[in-house]
Order: sequence, then C-alpha cells, then structure tokens
Amino acid sequence: KAGVTQTPRYLIKTRGQQVTLSCSPISGHRSVSWYQQTPGQGLQFLFEYFSETQRNKGNFPGRFSGRQFSNSRSEMNVSTLELGDSALYLCASSRHQGASDEKLFFGSGTQLSVL
Amino acid sequence: AQSVTQPDIHITVSEGASLELRCNYSYGATPYLFWYVQSPGQGLQLLLKYFSGDTLVQGIKGFEAEFKRSQSSFNLRKPSVHWSDAAEYFCAVGAGGQNFVFGPGTRLSVLP
Repeated sequence: KAGVTQTPRYLIKTRGQQVTLSCSPISGHRSVSWYQQTPGQGLQFLFEYFSETQRNKGNFPGRFSGRQFSNSRSEMNVSTLELGDSALYLCASSRHQGASDEKLFFGSGTQLSVL
Repeated sequence: AQSVTQPDIHITVSEGASLELRCNYSYGATPYLFWYVQSPGQGLQLLLKYFSGDTLVQGIKGFEAEFKRSQSSFNLRKPSVHWSDAAEYFCAVGAGGQNFVFGPGTRLSVLP
C-alpha cells in the first residue's frame, strides 16, 4: 500500500509568486490535513479537509488556501509568497474526520524556499 | 489553549544506554497524547498514542510512554537506544479534529 505522496519534493520561488503543493493520501483515507514546519515555529496546523470540505483551520492568513478533490487528493496554495513562508509543508492523511484519536500518516513533505 | 512543551532541545546518549524524553502538556480535558519521530528529510511516524486506560503505553521500535495526569506529563522511554534511533521526536496533543498541537521537538543524537 503506497504511503502519503507529496509533490514536488522541493520548490524554489521568489517573493510575490504563488505556489501549489499536491498531496495524495493513502488509498481509502478520506481526511487530509496540512502542517507547516519551520525551525522557529515548529509544526503548525494549517487546515483539514474531508469529503472536499474544509473542516478545521489553523491560524494562518488567507494567503494560505487549500482544496480537496473527489478522489481525496488535496492541494494547498500559497499566494503572494513572503520570505517567512519558507518551510517544510507536510501533508497527513487518516481514514476518518474529526477525531483527535485518529492516527495520522505523514508524507515526506515539500520543502519550499522563498528567495 | 492547548500547549505542549519539550524541555530538552537536544539530547545525546550512548548506544545501549537508556533514554527518557520529557513532554508536558496543557489541556483542559482528558488529552489524546502522541509521540511521533521524524528522521532527516522525512515526514513524521507515529511511535505510540494514549487515549485512556492503562497509563503505560507500548509503541513501536521498543518505545514506551507513561501518562501522569498529576504532572501533566507524557514522557517517552526506551531501555536501550540503537544508533538508528537518532532523529527528532515530537510530542503532540489532539486539539480537535486533525488539529494536533505539537511540541517543539527534541533532537536525539546517539554516540557509538
């Protein structure tokens, strides 16, 4: 069974650009969540999607958005990139939605560098 | 608001020595607690989790953790560390849905 797949693995962008990251969850998993990981702030929750609907959102500006498709694949978009958006973006999937006792399966992440 | 602290930023142990990584949490209700491990360039892998019941939980790779409500702690232990255990370890508490609050992490180095 394939794990959580994130593409691309690395991205380099310049300030002001926008970027789209992709995540394919484990087969059968319907919940996808996104986290930002930086050395200074650690792991921070961005949002969670289930059945193509955003179910939960962290404290990030509106420049950060996402969506989920009918096959459970998810994308996140960051517009008007800032230097501080440089981070490892991790996607995680689970079978169900809305349960904090659910085990998350993480992808290897997309390393975004903003120059 | 929920929070997780991991007092040790970096720990170095010798291979074969015992290990304890500390985690303290702040949460109003009965917490769902987790330990994850992250190897360089990789995502996070779940080591173990606590929801209720027995306060000593066993995980993968020989790890265990003990929940102590009176101390708001969930410390991770391993009796004998292997070189392959070198990684970053994160304690987390479930904050509702898939929103998990993670601690800052403890980086473990293992000396041969």
